[in-house]
Amino acid sequence: DTAVSQTPKYLVTQMGNDKSIKCEQNLGHDTMYWYKQDSKKFLKIMFSYNNKELIINETVPNRFSPKSPDKAHLNLHINSLELGDSAVYFCASSQGLQGGTEAFFGQGTRLTVV
Amino acid sequence: LAKTTQPISMDSYEGQEVNITCSHNNIATNDYITWYQQFPSQGPRFIIQGYKTKVTNEVASLFIPADRKSSTLSLPRVSLSDTAVYYCLVGTGDYKLSFGAGTTVTVRA
Repeated sequence: DTAVSQTPKYLVTQMGNDKSIKCEQNLGHDTMYWYKQDSKKFLKIMFSYNNKELIINETVPNRFSPKSPDKAHLNLHINSLELGDSAVYFCASSQGLQGGTEAFFGQGTRLTVV
Repeated sequence: LAKTTQPISMDSYEGQEVNITCSHNNIATNDYITWYQQFPSQGPRFIIQGYKTKVTNEVASLFIPADRKSSTLSLPRVSLSDTAVYYCLVGTGDYKLSFGAGTTVTVRA
């Protein structure tokens, strides 16, 4: 069983479109994250949720809206896609807040905006 | 969150030991040190975590000196499949895992 799964794995779309990426974890974790990895390979935190509650929103444009229907799911909806949104988006999950948290990452969604 | 500094890249040969040192001069008392590995087209994967002294698991060892201002990830007898990017993270698990630029390790035959 895949611990953290994202769909789709690849997404090619035109500028201006709206798209969603889904993430599910079967680890029973209470914290989920979205990261963006750009062409320079930097991994940047976008959002984190704890028990379905938004905890961190790291200066992400309003066009990005995360939604957590339950603890096992954290979806990412992107409106009015721009060329600069092209990147690999990773979902991750972890348990709790104890010092030093082991996070589990999905395989990533490669988004290409043309 | 303590900022980390690690080498951009390292080259090695199969069978050698690879040591990657990470500097974190501003580490706080509650911060743990965690290392992740990322292969191309995959998400990062947890390798090892420690607070002080030495930690060893089936994959790697982590050496942390008494002042905790740096740490060294040691990969014993690397193989071609250990070619990856290695990230050093420092934090308290405050809902935000901050990744630096990472160290690209290339293992050659």
